[in-house]
Amino acid sequence: NAGVTQTPKFRVLKTGQSMTLLCAQDMNHEYMYWYRQDPGMGLRLIHYSVGEGTTAKGEVPDGYNVSRLKKQNFLLGLESAAPSQTSVYFCASTPRLQETQYFGPGTRLLVL
Amino acid sequence: GIQVEQSPPDLILQEGANSTLRCNFSDSVNNLQWFHQNPWGQLINLFYIPSGTKQNGRLSATTVATERYSLLYISSSQTTDSGVYFCAVSNSNSGYALNFGKGTSLLVTP
Repeated sequence: NAGVTQTPKFRVLKTGQSMTLLCAQDMNHEYMYWYRQDPGMGLRLIHYSVGEGTTAKGEVPDGYNVSRLKKQNFLLGLESAAPSQTSVYFCASTPRLQETQYFGPGTRLLVL
Repeated sequence: GIQVEQSPPDLILQEGANSTLRCNFSDSVNNLQWFHQNPWGQLINLFYIPSGTKQNGRLSATTVATERYSLLYISSSQTTDSGVYFCAVSNSNSGYALNFGKGTSLLVTP
C-alpha cells in the first residue's frame, strides 16, 4: 500500500512549455485534490475531484487543467508554464467527506 | 473561503520545553486537521479533530468548534519537532477541500 504518490518529484521547465503532473492513490479514495504551496504560505487549492470523471475549480485554478479519467489517478496539466507557477505541488485524497486527507510527497516545479 | 489564522508565526524553544499553538477560523467547519511539515517538505498528519480533544504521545489537540478555535500542545519538545505546523479546515462550501493557515514555524534547539 503506497498511499498517495506523485510523479515527477522535481522538474524544471522553460516559460511556455507544457507538462503533466500525475497523482496516484491506491486506497480507493473518492475525493482527490491538487494544492500548491509557495514560500511562507500554507497550501492553496487549485482543483479538486469528488469522483471519477468529475472535476471542479478551487481557489487558484487559472493556468491549470485537470482530469480524473480513472478513480485512482488525478492529473494536473500546465499548458503554457509561467514563472508564477514555480511552486511545490501537493496532491491529496480522502475516502469520504469529513475525513482525514492524506497527502503525497509533493512535486517541486521551477519555471524559468 | 474560510479564513484561518495561526499564532504565533514563529517559535523558538529549548529542548524539553512545552508549547501551545493556536488556530482560529472564521466559519463553522466539518473538518479540522493539524499537520507537521518536516524540513524535507513532507506533510505529516498529526490529528483529525473537528471537535473535542485527542492525544498522541507528547502531542495533544483540542478544538472548541462553537468558539472557532483549536489548540495544539507539544510537551517535552525535541529537536525532531522542528518544522512548520499547519492547521487546515474545511466545510461543505468547497467540496471539503482544506483551507490552510500560514503555519507556525517551530525551531527546537538542543
